[in-house]
This record gives sequence, C-alpha cells and structure tokens, in this order.
Amino acid sequence: DAGITQSPRHKVTETGTPVTLRCHQTENHRYMYWYRQDPGHGLRLIHYSYGVKDTDKGEVSDGYSVSRSKTEDFLLTLESATSSQTSVYFCAISDGAGGNIQYFGAGTRLSVL
Amino acid sequence: AQSVTQPDIHITVSEGASLELRCNYSYGATPYLFWYVQSPGQGLQLLLKYFSGDTLVQGIKGFEAEFKRSQSSFNLRKPSVHWSDAAEYFCAVLNNAGNMLTFGGGTRLMVKP
Repeated sequence: DAGITQSPRHKVTETGTPVTLRCHQTENHRYMYWYRQDPGHGLRLIHYSYGVKDTDKGEVSDGYSVSRSKTEDFLLTLESATSSQTSVYFCAISDGAGGNIQYFGAGTRLSVL
Repeated sequence: AQSVTQPDIHITVSEGASLELRCNYSYGATPYLFWYVQSPGQGLQLLLKYFSGDTLVQGIKGFEAEFKRSQSSFNLRKPSVHWSDAAEYFCAVLNNAGNMLTFGGGTRLMVKP
C-alpha cells in the first residue's frame, strides 16, 4: 500500500463521541487525502492537504475536521460522531507530479452505533 | 463540475470470457482518467491512467482502456478474465486544478468458474 498506514483498521463507537483516524506515510509525499466509501457512491473526498498545516475541504466535509502538523501524518477527526458517518475511510497520498496519481491505504472501517 | 458514471453496478462473467466495464465522464476539458481496482477488504490499486496521446492505454494485470472523446467514455477491457479478477472497479477523473479525484459508483465484477 505504497508506504501508507491507517490506524485503527476497525473501530466501533457510539453516537456523540469524538473519533480520530490517523494516516501515516513514509513516502514524503506532499499531498494527502481522506475519502469515505459508501455503497453506490464510490469514494468521495472529505478533506485534503497540500502541505504541512495546509488543508482544504472536499465534497463531503461537513462534520469532519483534519490536521497535518507533520508531512507524514494526516489526521481525520469526527468531533461528534453520527450514524451517517458509518463508512469505510481511505487515506491517499500523491506527490502531485505527472497527473497527481494517488495511492491508497488499506482503509479504516468505522461503525457508529 | 466533473462527474463519472459507471452504468453497471454488478457484472458476472465466466472465467476465460472477455470483459468490458463501462465508464462515462462529464468534463469540460481534456480529462485525466483513471481505473482503480479494489479487492475485498483492500485499498484501491491503480490499474491504468490516461493523460494524453494514444487513446488506447495498457495497464497492469492484462487490462486496457480506450479513451473516446466523442462518446465521453473510458471503458476498461480484458480479453480473458481470470477468477482472481473478481473485485470492484472504479473509474475516476481528475479535476482542472489537479487536486481532486471524482469517482464513479463502482462496478462489482463476479467471475463464474
């Protein structure tokens, strides 16, 4: 998975609790992305980062925040989890060159009860 | 805004048969197009990409795709399917700024023995 580690791989939590998912890369790539995957929707971009402390919103950013204090780490936080945020979350990285090919982590399966 | 449509949610083919997965995109300029494959419980792996030039592109695992501007299509093909090709396939287009992928809803391929 191109030097990308997502943690945890599985998480079950309750509505209203905060949740943080971590993406760690060893490739020193500039760009990092968080997607969610839901049946019939493919992958939808939540937030992305184009450098340390530089982030921007994607298509489905409501209810999510991100932080990137180091090149290698990109955190996704659900401040108060809701059942609609039950999903599989994927991190991706890219060096931004040659068409910005993105490489994906193995995913985190999150269930909000 | 760009969009991607994969008309077939599920496709079943017999092992050894040929395969074509459809992808239609909506995009104003010359698109950067991708096909990814996702095996169960895994992240997404890049199969192939089209940026410019030859409209028939070759990828890994014996896959190819043809870009047809007149039909706004980028269909994925394989002449002879193997049981290990059973997976979900996603078509994606890169936005103008080069920082956001838009995915289709995916096509799940099943392979009959």
